[in-house]
Amino acid sequence: EIVMTQSPATLSVSPGERATLSCRASQSISSNLAWYQQKPGQAPRLLIYGASTRATGIPARFSGSGSGTEFTLTISSLQSEDFAVYYCQQYHNWPPETFGRGTKVDIK
Amino acid sequence: HVQLVQSGTEVKKPGASVKVSCKASGYTFTSYYMHWVRQAPGQGLDYMGIINPSGGSTFYSQKFQGRVTMTRDMSTGTFYMELRGLRSEDTAMYYCARVLLPGEVEAFGYWGQGTLVIVSS
Repeated sequence: EIVMTQSPATLSVSPGERATLSCRASQSISSNLAWYQQKPGQAPRLLIYGASTRATGIPARFSGSGSGTEFTLTISSLQSEDFAVYYCQQYHNWPPETFGRGTKVDIK
Repeated sequence: HVQLVQSGTEVKKPGASVKVSCKASGYTFTSYYMHWVRQAPGQGLDYMGIINPSGGSTFYSQKFQGRVTMTRDMSTGTFYMELRGLRSEDTAMYYCARVLLPGEVEAFGYWGQGTLVIVSS
């Protein structure tokens, strides 16, 4: 089973600043990586799939990059509504489709 | 538009079973695989398994093998996840999640609102 490791566990950022979240796979997953955002009391929402493709309706301030084992989610200028938990997920070596443990982005 | 509407909160005793439903609408039911994911309070996302809505074939994560059954009812467009032998550690929010694109190995583009299952004596 592929293990997904996210870092940091918590990221404290001021509104308007840039946030960079990392996700590492224990073996190559090509570009079969998704990022999700989850706010308290809500289901996760797909942000990025194929490592770098924004899902429908996702603002351009969210961008994904990477391939193989190293991936990054960048939020270029944090808005108040972006404070949430972010999960990465691999869907390359299936089953199962494993998730990282999440990065919480909170207000500095 | 795509909608996944799940059944309501369940409170069960240890050892009991729970069956959660997920009614799908707004798309061709048989064209997209459905997955189930759970999330314990304050924890991350835990993958449970997948069902092919066309043939009904399933795969379950090893963690849940022997205790979970996923089914679908094509006549009503509804998916079901049954978990047996409940224990306190099964207290969690259970989500159905549809793949974004046709194919079994894809990102989860649509999620149900979640069903809270509480296991308590």
